[in-house]
Amino acid sequence: QTVVTQEPSFSVSPGGTVTLTCGLNSGSVSTNNYPSWYQQTPGQAPRTLIYSTNTRSSGVPDRFSGSILGNKAALTITGAQADDESDYYCVLYMGGGIWVFGGGTKLTVL
Amino acid sequence: EVQLVESGGGLVQPGGSLRLSCAASGFSVSSNYMSWVRQAPGKGLEWVSVIYSGGSTYYADSVKGRFTISRDNSKNTLFLQMNSLRAEDTAVYYCARGGILPSNQKGNWFDPWGQGTLVTVSS
Repeated sequence: QTVVTQEPSFSVSPGGTVTLTCGLNSGSVSTNNYPSWYQQTPGQAPRTLIYSTNTRSSGVPDRFSGSILGNKAALTITGAQADDESDYYCVLYMGGGIWVFGGGTKLTVL
Repeated sequence: EVQLVESGGGLVQPGGSLRLSCAASGFSVSSNYMSWVRQAPGKGLEWVSVIYSGGSTYYADSVKGRFTISRDNSKNTLFLQMNSLRAEDTAVYYCARGGILPSNQKGNWFDPWGQGTLVTVSS
């Protein structure tokens, strides 16, 4: 069974930089998994941040960036702001019409 | 404006059925690939199902054989028929359009998303 792993929680200081990761329980994440990242605040639908590994969605500030780091996909927030405090989800395309979400990372900015 | 609006959620008993709808505007459901994603209370996102423009459908193992994704092109609406519902199907259900790259290839991301509809399975 495919499991996509994310850090359950992370903390960053205002103005700081944080990198959230998205891995696989077996194997490496590659661009062929089309990693995408979503931000979600309580009671709201997810908002697309990054798609196809490193492309920012329309209107997303450039302090958000995506990449492959080692064998994982990564979301880096540079210059974190208070309103970046949210849940962040990655999803990987596994082929054959199947996607798997990570468990999400709860980011605290303090 | 591209928009998705879900409806059809509610309270249903275990073993019961429910059909969710997702009305699209600003684009054609039939020309895109569309997914359902759910989120149990206090939990993370879970991909549920996809329907491609050619009609192919795929499901997460957790719903295979119980849920059916479909669309009505004339109404530009996506559906999710949910049968044999279980308590663990309780969730907010979102519909989302699949992303297309500038090259016209599928980009395998979800955007936009609807606002979601809550399904509660309980006796």
